[in-house]
Amino acid sequence: GENVEQHPSTLSVQEGDSAVIKCTYSDSASNYFPWYKQELGKRPQLIIDIRSNVGEKKDQRIAVTLNKTAKHFSLHITETQPEDSAVYFCAASPGDKLSFGAGTTVTVRA
Amino acid sequence: DTEVTQTPKHLVMGMTNKKSLKCEQHMGHRAMYWYKQKAKKPPELMFVYSYEKLSINESVPSRFSPECPNSSLLNLHLHALQPEDSALYLCASSQARSGATGELFFGEGSRLTVL
Repeated sequence: GENVEQHPSTLSVQEGDSAVIKCTYSDSASNYFPWYKQELGKRPQLIIDIRSNVGEKKDQRIAVTLNKTAKHFSLHITETQPEDSAVYFCAASPGDKLSFGAGTTVTVRA
Repeated sequence: DTEVTQTPKHLVMGMTNKKSLKCEQHMGHRAMYWYKQKAKKPPELMFVYSYEKLSINESVPSRFSPECPNSSLLNLHLHALQPEDSALYLCASSQARSGATGELFFGEGSRLTVL
């Protein structure tokens, strides 16, 4: 099955700085890569996703890049704000089911 | 309505009890899921229903029994649980058949404590 590794496990950034989270996957058949954000005590929510036919996608302050050759994808958050503090999960799917990374706890310092 | 509603929000049960978790969505999604989440861990897939039929069972112990009475409802029946089953149980739904290629909409979860 698909195995997703996510780094770092924790990330502390100054407000206004950028945050980058990286994930690698094992199954070359994976073609869908979503990112979920889970605030403390809340449900996971999709923040951005990318499919294998594109290399980059942006939505305001967040962007995701995908390198299919190297089997890795990254989440970039620019101009971080206190409300960006949360746990972020990457995931990958070859089409049957989603495999999640272990998560990154992001703390934005004021 | 883009909500997935789960009840109860909190549940405490003994190892000999029988209880049920309930989940409801009115988005017309035909795939529904149960996930288990331990603290500071990612959601762990338990069951997938597609068009009201069980399509994936991730080798979950039989003390967990899912049921999909109709396209809007999903239940998880609990019996003879162990303390290590204490966790947040998340229900989710998706438009895609498997949800593996489209957005999952999660409920707020039912926090289960087994004494």
